[in-house]
Amino acid sequence: DAGITQSPRHKVTETGTPVTLRCHQTENHRYMYWYRQDPGHGLRLIHYSYGVKDTDKGEVSDGYSVSRSKTEDFLLTLESATSSQTSVYFCAIRGNYGYTFGSGTRLTVV
Amino acid sequence: TQLLEQSPQFLSIQEGENLTVYCNSSSVFSSLQWYRQEPGEGPVLLVTVVTGGEVKKLKRLTFQFGDARKDSSLHITAAQPGDTGLYLCAGLLGTQGGSEKLVFGKGTKLTVNP
Repeated sequence: DAGITQSPRHKVTETGTPVTLRCHQTENHRYMYWYRQDPGHGLRLIHYSYGVKDTDKGEVSDGYSVSRSKTEDFLLTLESATSSQTSVYFCAIRGNYGYTFGSGTRLTVV
Repeated sequence: TQLLEQSPQFLSIQEGENLTVYCNSSSVFSSLQWYRQEPGEGPVLLVTVVTGGEVKKLKRLTFQFGDARKDSSLHITAAQPGDTGLYLCAGLLGTQGGSEKLVFGKGTKLTVNP
C-alpha cells in the first residue's frame, strides 16, 4: 500500500481564519481526493485531483479550494473557516489495488 | 441528493446471527467498493466488485454486485463481536484516465453483541 499522511491530525481554529490541511503520498499515484465525514452524512467528496494542477469539484466544494503543485502533495484550504466546516477530513489516493485513506484530520472551528 | 442509498443505517445483533447490508442507486457504476471503518481511523477497503452479477467471498463476508451495476449487498454469516464497525459502500463514477471519483453511501453502523 502507498503511504499517505495527513497533517495536522487535530486542529482548533477560529471562525473567519484561513486553514490549510495537507495530504502527502509517498508514491506517484495520479488521483487524490479530499472528503469530509459528518454524522448522518457519511463521506462527502469536496475536491479531487487527477494530476498535477488538474483538479475538480466534488459535491460539497463551497468554501474550499485545493492545490496540487506536485504529485505527492494535495492541499485543502478553507478560505474563511465557519462553524459548519467543523468535521473530520480524510484524504484518499487511488492506488494500484484500490483506494487508500489517510487517518483523518479532526478540525474544530470555534 | 445521495447517489448511493445504504440501509440499514444502524444494526445491533447478537453474536452468531446473520445480517445483510444493502446499497442501492439509480446510477450505473464502473465498480462498487465496500469499506470498513474503525473509530478514529480512515476507511479500509474490503473488496471491489466490477462485473454485473459478480459475487465475492471474504471468509464470512459475501459481497454481490447487481446485474445492472446499480446496487450491491454485503452479507455476514455468523457475526462476531470483531465485526463491529462502520461499513461503507462506495461507487466509482467516471472513466479511467479521466475525472474518476468515488461516491459513498452514508454507512451502516454494525454492533455485534457477545
